[in-house]
Amino acid sequence: DTAVSQTPKYLVTQMGNDKSIKCEQNLGHDTMYWYKQDSKKFLKIMFSYNNKELIINETVPNRFSPKSPDKAHLNLHINSLELGDSAVYFCASSQAVGISGTEAFFGQGTRLTVV
Amino acid sequence: AQTVTQSQPEMSVQEAETVTLSCTYDTSESDYYLFWYKQPPSRQMILVIRQEAYKQQNATENRFSVNFQKAAKSFSLKISDSQLGDAAMYFCAYRTLDSNYQLIWGAGTKLIIKP
Repeated sequence: DTAVSQTPKYLVTQMGNDKSIKCEQNLGHDTMYWYKQDSKKFLKIMFSYNNKELIINETVPNRFSPKSPDKAHLNLHINSLELGDSAVYFCASSQAVGISGTEAFFGQGTRLTVV
Repeated sequence: AQTVTQSQPEMSVQEAETVTLSCTYDTSESDYYLFWYKQPPSRQMILVIRQEAYKQQNATENRFSVNFQKAAKSFSLKISDSQLGDAAMYFCAYRTLDSNYQLIWGAGTKLIIKP
């Protein structure tokens, strides 16, 4: 049973297209995240949702829009893709602070390549 | 603002030997969590070890152990009896206890295992 699953694993698309990455967690966690990992492996938080509510929205272009239909899902939609959006995108989830096991569990990542 | 610093972009160690990866952080909080994650070439992010700041005892997981120095704000990872499968990027992360549930990440250390 995959704890955090995101699809697709690879995504190659042309500039200007709109694409979505889906994420689901079956751990019962309250908090979900989207991270971007650039070519230098640096992890940057993009968004965080707690119980379907946005709690972190770092400075990312408004072409990126997260959607959380329920607390087990956090999808990422990207409009008008640009070359600089090429990266690996990770979905993650964690339980609320105060409960043991507060680490984040990660999906396998989506390698997005914009051509 | 909290920051996490990994000063070693790359480390190498002979198979079966011991290596220590360094991590320092900056915070004004007294209670928090610290983590080491491993990212092998498969790009899956895997939790290696977790430390609660209120615990004085250093965390240990099989061949992995930490040296947690709270006053010095240092959290190093020691890998004993290094194996080829330990080759990966290692990330140090700090988690706040505030309502944002945010993880603060270091830039990573690439660990090379020499056979």
